[in-house]
Amino acid sequence: DQQVKQNSPSLSVQEGRISILNCDYTNSMFDYFLWYKKYPAEGPTFLISISSIKDKNEDGRFTVFLNKSAKHLSLHIVPSQPGDSAVYFCAAILSNYQLIWGAGTKLIIKP
Amino acid sequence: GAGVSQSPSNKVTEKGKDVELRCDPISGHTALYWYRQRLGQGLEFLIYFQGNSAPDKSGLPSDRFSAERTGESVSTLTIQRTQQEDSAVYLCASSLNFILAKNIQYFGAGTRLSVL
Repeated sequence: DQQVKQNSPSLSVQEGRISILNCDYTNSMFDYFLWYKKYPAEGPTFLISISSIKDKNEDGRFTVFLNKSAKHLSLHIVPSQPGDSAVYFCAAILSNYQLIWGAGTKLIIKP
Repeated sequence: GAGVSQSPSNKVTEKGKDVELRCDPISGHTALYWYRQRLGQGLEFLIYFQGNSAPDKSGLPSDRFSAERTGESVSTLTIQRTQQEDSAVYLCASSLNFILAKNIQYFGAGTRLSVL
């Protein structure tokens, strides 16, 4: 049973426009969420996180929104740049040390 | 080096052979994690170390999998009698300590294991 779901395997966005990546979760005990970015042949790198006591966290071009009632979070990238092309993973913390990961969404930024 | 280093980067083995994967974490990081990523799937937690001890081994898929860490540094993940379903990318990460809400995990590039 997938506790963290990223239902879009891929997303294509024009350079300069907004990219919106979505993530749904089923476990209401999750209280901390993270987004990671992964380039081919590299390990994931941390991008941004959000605690369940907040509904928004912003870092430069990246903003994460959390809707607890809907068990949904989204990552907004604006404006999208070619270097943003990568696989984006949503993850939730289960206990202190364990992350539950979504399957990832491949973002393609078109010039 | 400054980052997490994993070796080998690629490993092709025959079914039934044993393999050993190595991870060098960032110096000073007390927590170390092993994950497995199958094609088209998210990362699957295998095991973590706090120092040299592994408080939670419940993610290991079977008793063919084992891991150890020495000197609060290098860790090895061993898979005995490999099976084709073990084919995956094995990722290692480290963090200052295991409280993930307060500590970022830094990942290595992974070892791609192919079992023929």
